[in-house]
Amino acid sequence: DTEVTQTPKHLVMGMTNKKSLKCEQHMGHRAMYWYKQKAKKPPELMFVYSYEKLSINESVPSRFSPECPNSSLLNLHLHALQPEDSALYLCASSQDGVRSTDTQYFGPGTRLTVL
Amino acid sequence: GENVEQHPSTLSVQEGDSAVIKCTYSDSASNYFPWYKQELGKGPQLIIDIRSNVGEKKDQRIAVTLNKTAKHFSLHITETQPEDSAVYFCAAMGGYSTLTFGKGTMLLVSP
Repeated sequence: DTEVTQTPKHLVMGMTNKKSLKCEQHMGHRAMYWYKQKAKKPPELMFVYSYEKLSINESVPSRFSPECPNSSLLNLHLHALQPEDSALYLCASSQDGVRSTDTQYFGPGTRLTVL
Repeated sequence: GENVEQHPSTLSVQEGDSAVIKCTYSDSASNYFPWYKQELGKGPQLIIDIRSNVGEKKDQRIAVTLNKTAKHFSLHITETQPEDSAVYFCAAMGGYSTLTFGKGTMLLVSP
């Protein structure tokens, strides 16, 4: 089973709201990722967690705050977002974040709209 | 950093024809090359991948070839079907498990 689940599927929020995106995998993977994908563009890496520790932050604005409560869960906390943050947010996982050739498996994404 | 170029941006074929999508990469240290298929409203799905110690890999109607000397790799789909219609992304990976994606190819298979 190579399933990564994400909730919610769709989210609409105002610029003053606080919301969270959730990602879960039960494959025993130790690396988890957040990507942002705008329409007709490839996914862009935001954060990487390896063994529950943040190992890569691709200079993402502080209004996005990741959290990895345990090895199966990954959250993305959202606060004071801008309309240009509207996008598909993808979660992915791989077996071991340290090695360079681990396959990344993606979830279905959360479609975020910021009004 | 790594740079991945992907061509063509759109590809239209008739059902039953073959489709070829090509990618080039810049970082000679990259050693893993996956291909993802993304249908509308869904996340990318891995369809095939190849590592640098292999020149070609096949899985039923899908094949990938890698030329490390020339730094390019290609996706080949034979006997295309309408359900193959989607956006296809190539990617390259070097250190720290970071994927660099190509810009994508929209494949349209007409019945």
